[in-house]
Amino acid sequence: AQKVTQAQTEISVVEKEDVTLDCVYETRDTTYYLFWYKQPPSGELVFLIRRNSFDEQNEISGRYSWNFQKSTSSFNFTITASQVVDSAVYFCALPHRLGYALNFGKGTSLLVTP
Amino acid sequence: AAGVIQSPRHLIKEKRETATLKCYPIPRHDTVYWYQQGPGQDPQFLISFYEKMQSDKGSIPDRFSAQQFSDYHSELNMSSLELGDSALYFCASSIGTGDYGYTFGSGTRLTVV
Repeated sequence: AQKVTQAQTEISVVEKEDVTLDCVYETRDTTYYLFWYKQPPSGELVFLIRRNSFDEQNEISGRYSWNFQKSTSSFNFTITASQVVDSAVYFCALPHRLGYALNFGKGTSLLVTP
Repeated sequence: AAGVIQSPRHLIKEKRETATLKCYPIPRHDTVYWYQQGPGQDPQFLISFYEKMQSDKGSIPDRFSAQQFSDYHSELNMSSLELGDSALYFCASSIGTGDYGYTFGSGTRLTVV
């Protein structure tokens, strides 16, 4: 069965620190997509990234970077030089069957303090 | 760019009442998904529709039903509401099976009192 584990429930950092959010997944599919979403206190789900399982290159977008390692079934998310506006719950997700609805991890609540 | 529109944004209902939530997908998106997110929980998949037919089913209670209409908008009907139904309900849309990603609406916050 498809499963996403985010072992870190809450993380608290001081502004400008780097922080890594872990995501470990289980899937029987050979081809799959992985996603990260951000949910700020206002409640909406903001799309951050979609990664195809064939592409193991790390991705960087501004202060955000993602490390995808198929060998360890991990898709970790790093925020460099964190800011207060990064405070949110971050979800890692995987379609529960290829091309179907997303299965979310339990989420990691990130608090960035000044 | 057009986004997924959900209405209403907030809804307060009493126990045993009925509620209807609406979702308008992004134009040309033919698949709609419904999720329920309880307080402090992750979003849980309820049901999805592709080209007006139910395509997948998750943990949707029997008291809930949904459909997708000819204009691709979808409605989630919830009857005999219980206190535990209080949650944030998200709708998402995609082209086909979601290989190109899923776009979420802002959600409807349902409070059952």
